Amino acid sequence: EDQVTQSPEALRLQEGESSSLNCSYTVSGLRGLFWYRQDPGKGPEFLFTLYSAGEEKEKERLKATLTKKESFLHITAPKPEDSATYLCAVQEETSGSRLTFGEGTQLTVNP
Amino acid sequence: EPEVTQTPSHQVTQMGQEVILRCVPISNHLYFYWYRQILGQKVEFLVSFYNNEISEKSEIFDDQFSVERPDGSNFTLKIRSTKLEDSAMYFCASKLPRVYSVGNYGYTFGSGTRLTVV
Repeated sequence: EDQVTQSPEALRLQEGESSSLNCSYTVSGLRGLFWYRQDPGKGPEFLFTLYSAGEEKEKERLKATLTKKESFLHITAPKPEDSATYLCAVQEETSGSRLTFGEGTQLTVNP
Repeated sequence: EPEVTQTPSHQVTQMGQEVILRCVPISNHLYFYWYRQILGQKVEFLVSFYNNEISEKSEIFDDQFSVERPDGSNFTLKIRSTKLEDSAMYFCASKLPRVYSVGNYGYTFGSGTRLTVV
């Protein structure tokens, strides 16, 4: 059973067209939820960590939010350089410090 | 900004050969990890290492795999007898304990080693 599910798998936006990416998770106890950006052939680049429902974090055009069952990554007025795969990962209370990743959402922003 | 450094960036090896992937974690980090990503698939946890010993490992991390921190700065992953299905990107990651972190706390990943087994 998948613990972390991301949707959509792929998303195409026009420059300036805001949207949201979803990460649904099923864990017995959440220690942290992490968002990463991954460019082709590169390692995941850390964006945000969220710990409890209701928490929000922002960085430039990105805003991450967390509920008890899912997290959203909101992208406001995206630019072509925001094109990447966005990964969600969870750390469970019962699984030490390992991260469990979702499949990712591949975002393409057209100029 | 501090980085996790991985070498080589690309390694091609013949099936059955041993490979060693190398990582230099961020100097003041205390937890070290290896993950892998098979092409087109999700990033998967392999092993975590803390206080000079394995703290957790996944089902993937069988007897063919081993990790070492030989000199206090390098962190290595060895695959003793490579198989075709070991072909993947291997990522090293490190982190501080949360209590020592300030601001937006997270795991830092390296750029990866692309391992191709032929």
